[in-house]
Amino acid sequence: AQRVTQPEKLLSVFKGAPVELKCNYSYSGSPELFWYVQYSRQRLQLLLRHISRESIKGFTADLNKGETSFHLKKPFAQEEDSAMYYCALTFQGAQKLVFGQGTRLTINP
Amino acid sequence: KAGVTQTPRYLIKTRGQQVTLSCSPISGHRSVSWYQQTPGQGLQFLFEYFSETQRNKGNFPGRFSGRQFSNSRSEMNVSTLELGDSALYLCASGSGRAADTQYFGPGTRLTVL
Repeated sequence: AQRVTQPEKLLSVFKGAPVELKCNYSYSGSPELFWYVQYSRQRLQLLLRHISRESIKGFTADLNKGETSFHLKKPFAQEEDSAMYYCALTFQGAQKLVFGQGTRLTINP
Repeated sequence: KAGVTQTPRYLIKTRGQQVTLSCSPISGHRSVSWYQQTPGQGLQFLFEYFSETQRNKGNFPGRFSGRQFSNSRSEMNVSTLELGDSALYLCASGSGRAADTQYFGPGTRLTVL
């Protein structure tokens, strides 16, 4: 079965420090990978997707098929990055999103 | 463009009752998906509707059902409510293509007493 694992439930870093949120997946085919973010009192929203190869709010994520990982990175964390982050995948052309358990990121001033 | 809307935002029901939740997608979107979010299980996929047809289904009992209307609005029904059905129910709308962005609504918070 398809699975997404985010090993860290909580992650705390200082402002200006680098951030890496880990995501590993299990799927034998070629999935589509996404990072979704939920800021306090806001709805879940897409942060970035691997197919776009774009950088959003300074975040990037590289799909490593060998390690089946899609880690989210940002070189210099900002306080407004504090939020809940979810890694997710879809497969076989379906809209069904399989989510990881999420990582709560806190940026300390 | 108006975002995804869900009604009602909050619901309190008792065990054994049934409930219907509604989702209005972004104009032009033909796909609506439903998710259940709980502290223990996280975000779990319930089902997806595309052009009034259920296209995908998650691993939930038959008490959970849904439908989609010709204007793409969708409803989700849960019958014979159980305490464990207490959750935030999210719907998401999209074009229907896998790699495209799905836009989430604010959710309906269901509490079963």
